[in-house]
Amino acid sequence: GDSVTQMEGPVTLSEEAFLTINCTYTATGYPSLFWYVQYPGEGLQLLLKATKADDKGSNKGFEATYRKETTSFHLEKGSVQVSDSAVYFCALKMYSGGGADGLTFGKGTHLIIQP
Amino acid sequence: GAVVSQHPSRVICKSGTSVKIECRSLDFQATTMFWYRQFPKKSLMLMATSNEGSKATYEQGVEKDKFLINHASLTLSTLTVTSAHPEDSSFYICSASRNGNEQFFGPGTRLTVL
Repeated sequence: GDSVTQMEGPVTLSEEAFLTINCTYTATGYPSLFWYVQYPGEGLQLLLKATKADDKGSNKGFEATYRKETTSFHLEKGSVQVSDSAVYFCALKMYSGGGADGLTFGKGTHLIIQP
Repeated sequence: GAVVSQHPSRVICKSGTSVKIECRSLDFQATTMFWYRQFPKKSLMLMATSNEGSKATYEQGVEKDKFLINHASLTLSTLTVTSAHPEDSSFYICSASRNGNEQFFGPGTRLTVL
């Protein structure tokens, strides 16, 4: 079945450091790919997405590029802030054509940014 | 933005009792709602998909008689854990989708079964 693998956490960085959180996927077709963020005490929020190969999703300084050849969707940010501390989930969705489909999630990566 | 709420945020119950969790879309009509379960340090796992007015579609391995889902209106879906046991203790998260587009997630419900 479909699956998502992302790097284990916690990941601890200093403010203004460069961030990469790796994510790879296994899917039988061509999924849409997502990064969700969960701040303490809040629900998951969509951070960015890409729906086809070579698409780049971006939001709030974060970027991720859909790489079909390496089945990856790594999350990057050039300069992290303390406010970026959260749990980040990589996810995929297969489009069945029949309507809304559930998401397949990775285990989540807890990011801690120290001042 | 689109807001999804869950109630209660946490619940503790005795083994053998039933627990109902509500998921509401507060400012939009959700044609589809999803229920996920999250174990500690594990990913969210999709339990079932429910469309308003029709029976829920359960993922493989999820007992539909144990996890009853009702999507009675475009703004409310409920998950009832029947005859709960300690192994049902988990974090349950719902999401709501409008017309098959982006899913908006609730804050989750922590269930502890004693």
